[in-house]
Amino acid sequence: KNEVEQSPQNLTAQEGEFITINCSYSVGISALHWLQQHPGGGIVSLFMLSSGKKKHGRLIATINIQEKHSSLHITASHPRDSAVYICAVRPDDKIIFGKGTRLHILP
Amino acid sequence: ETGVTQTPRHLVMGMTNKKSLKCEQHLGHNAMYWYKQSAKKPLELMFVYNFKEQTENNSVPSRFSPECPNSSHLFLHLHTLQPEDSALYLCASSQDGGGTDTQYFGPGTRLTVL
Repeated sequence: KNEVEQSPQNLTAQEGEFITINCSYSVGISALHWLQQHPGGGIVSLFMLSSGKKKHGRLIATINIQEKHSSLHITASHPRDSAVYICAVRPDDKIIFGKGTRLHILP
Repeated sequence: ETGVTQTPRHLVMGMTNKKSLKCEQHLGHNAMYWYKQSAKKPLELMFVYNFKEQTENNSVPSRFSPECPNSSHLFLHLHTLQPEDSALYLCASSQDGGGTDTQYFGPGTRLTVL
């Protein structure tokens, strides 16, 4: 079993829909990262969370440390949000990545 | 130029070639990282440098040789690679090597080994 599990693996939605991507992990962590990888390969760091909730524009990330679970939400989704969203956790000196969720927003 | 830059963006090399990937960060960070992303696999951390010192080597084969001459520059020297080394190689930097640091990624070098 992977230490970081993301769901769903693939998600197709219509423009404007509310999107939720989930990340569950099985190790104790100091921080959790959400990353966005565009089709060309470039990666953007969206959030770094150690507790609670963070918001940036239409993106919201939450984490529940007790339940070892984090969610990334996108409100009013847009085709430009189409990308792979990757969850990564950092226990001690390691960093462990999920396999990513491929999101496709249809116009 | 700002952020994290990587050159070249694309590289095709034969198994007997020697090449180097370059990463430069303009963020004043002290930690730099090399990652490998193979098709349909999660990102893999290869090396971590903190204040120019290598602090992590995740069992990477010796045909990959990192070099960090200063906190702003990171190289990955490649020699006698195998076709399975074809992947996207990403560089990142963060303020320091601590676990709660946000990492900033470069655009990556897409490497093809023939």
